Parts: sequence; structure tokens; C-alpha cells
Amino acid sequence: DGGITQSPKYLFRKEGQNVTLSCEQNLNHDAMYWYRQDPGQGLRLIYYSQIVNDFQKGDIAEGYSVSREKKESFPLTVTSAQKNPTAFYLCASSIRSQPQHFGDGTRLSIL
Amino acid sequence: AQKVTQAQTEISVVEKEDVTLDCVYETRDTTYYLFWYKQPPSGELVFLIRRNSFDEQNEISGRYSWNFQKSTSSFNFTITASQVVDSAVYFCALSEAGYSTLTFGKGTMLLVSP
Repeated sequence: DGGITQSPKYLFRKEGQNVTLSCEQNLNHDAMYWYRQDPGQGLRLIYYSQIVNDFQKGDIAEGYSVSREKKESFPLTVTSAQKNPTAFYLCASSIRSQPQHFGDGTRLSIL
Repeated sequence: AQKVTQAQTEISVVEKEDVTLDCVYETRDTTYYLFWYKQPPSGELVFLIRRNSFDEQNEISGRYSWNFQKSTSSFNFTITASQVVDSAVYFCALSEAGYSTLTFGKGTMLLVSP
């Protein structure tokens, strides 16, 4: 089945630790996105990439980093600089101007 | 700058009632796309519909219908004869033509009771 796989489903971060969220897609989509969802806040764009080896900051990029070395993969690192990382993280992909397809999300919590 | 407003934070209805979810948007572009997504308790976002700014025809898909009115910058979503399985958070979103990023509203939580 084609789709987007996010892992892990749940993740815990200790103080001062960087953690990486995985996002893989086998839809052959060019563009990939990371969103953060907080209760009552909707989804906010962290980073996006429209082509391999290129990515742009979204509205809330501070404290996060990404890479796009392969078309099918767009990992998100939550660095220690992100002081409030507890949230639900959603990865999406799309091709041209078609609707974005979303993964099942990763829930990140602070230990 | 783009903005999407979903003024209804939470709506509760009884099964078989009709319910309308409101969405108001702001954009300076003349060409743009509007979307509705459903987020069930499991968390993934499910795409429901996309409309472009040049197509103001209302759309019906089974029990779902959408009313797009450029004059009031609204793109409202109606569920007819609601069912318990419709319980979810519904997001309205906007993207400008030529860009693929989405601006989301804060969502409306719909609770349908038996």
C-alpha cells in the first residue's frame, strides 16, 4: 500500500536531548512537510521541502532541523533549543498542487 | 498574509441532526485553494475536499456538502443526518496558488451522540 509512515508513534525526550522523528513516503511525492499540532491550536508548519536537498522554514522553525537527502524521507529533529516540544507532530507529502496526504503522527512528550 | 478562522471550537449534536461547520478565510491572492480535512481520534488527517477560487459551485458528496461564497470569504461544510462516526475534529485550510503549503484554522471538534 502507498502511504506515509511516521515513527515512532510515541516518543519521550529528556531535558537537553535531541530527538529525531522519522517520516517516509512511498507515494513518489516531490514535496514533504512537517506540522506541529497543539491542543486548540490547529496545525502549524515547521519545515517543508519541495525537492531533494532543499527545504524551507515554516512559521515555527526555531528549535527544529530537517534534512532531505532522499525523495522518500524527511526526518525532523527536535533539538534541545526547542523549549516546549510536547506536541503531536504530523508529516505530509504532496505532488504539484494536489492535496497533501498525512501520516498517522508522532506524539512527543517530555520526561 | 493568509488566515483561516473556524469560530466554532466545539459542536455537540444528536445523531441524525444536520450540522454546519463554519470557515472564514483571508487572502490577498485571487487564485487560491480551500480544503477540508477530518481528524478522527486516531490522529491522522483525512482529506475531504479541495476547491479552487474560480469554482464557486456547491458540492455534495453523500451526506457531506460544501458551500463556497467568495463574497463573504466563507467555505462552510454541512453534514446531513449526522452519525456517531462523524465525531472528529474538522479543519479548514487555505493554500495560495503556486505554493503547496497550507494555512489551517484551529479546527472544530464535532461530537455526535447516539
